[in-house]
Amino acid sequence: EIVLTQSPGTLSLSPGERATLSCRASQSVSSNYLAWYQQRPGQAPRLLIYGASSRATGIPDRFSGSGSGTDFTLTISRLEPEDFAVYYCQQYGTSPMYTFGQGTKLEIK
Amino acid sequence: QVQLVESGGGVVQPGRSLGLSCAASGFTFSTTKYAMHWVRQAPGKGLEWVAVISDDGSDKYYADSVKGRFTVSRDNSKNTLYLQMNSLRAEDTAVYYCARDRPGNGAFDIWGQGTMVTVSS
Repeated sequence: EIVLTQSPGTLSLSPGERATLSCRASQSVSSNYLAWYQQRPGQAPRLLIYGASSRATGIPDRFSGSGSGTDFTLTISRLEPEDFAVYYCQQYGTSPMYTFGQGTKLEIK
Repeated sequence: QVQLVESGGGVVQPGRSLGLSCAASGFTFSTTKYAMHWVRQAPGKGLEWVAVISDDGSDKYYADSVKGRFTVSRDNSKNTLYLQMNSLRAEDTAVYYCARDRPGNGAFDIWGQGTMVTVSS
């Protein structure tokens, strides 16, 4: 089973700043099968990025994804107040098996 | 608009059973590409994938934590996904979300609002 480890656990930034969130896999992940989600308090998760770097429908272009192999990154170029939330990476592997990272909480500094 | 609505959650005693439903609307549920998933989230915890069913219902896969106890099914004529949960344990307490599979990427592109299941005596 592939384990996804997200860092940092909590990221404290101010609106307007740039956020960089990391997701590291215990084994190589196909870029086609790496996704990122945003979850605001009391809400369901929302797909942000699929295929490591493609934005989902309606997602602002300040969100971008990159990476390959075992290291992936979600970048938010200029934080808006509504971006403060928990972010999860997720991979799809053989079996099939779907696993999530433990999440990064992005909080207002 | 595209929507998933879960129902059936509640409080149940350990060892008992509970069934969840997920009603889909705004897209062709029975189209030959939309697998469907159940994902859960224990209180204050992260996301855990539970089960997936193929578009025609012929293939089903489960997380090890629920294998042999949970059964996923779908009725394409009713645009509805189901999760039958047997032999429930305290550790099954969570919000249960249904989610649509994004074909070709293994991502979950549409989510329901979730239904809470509490397993407690």
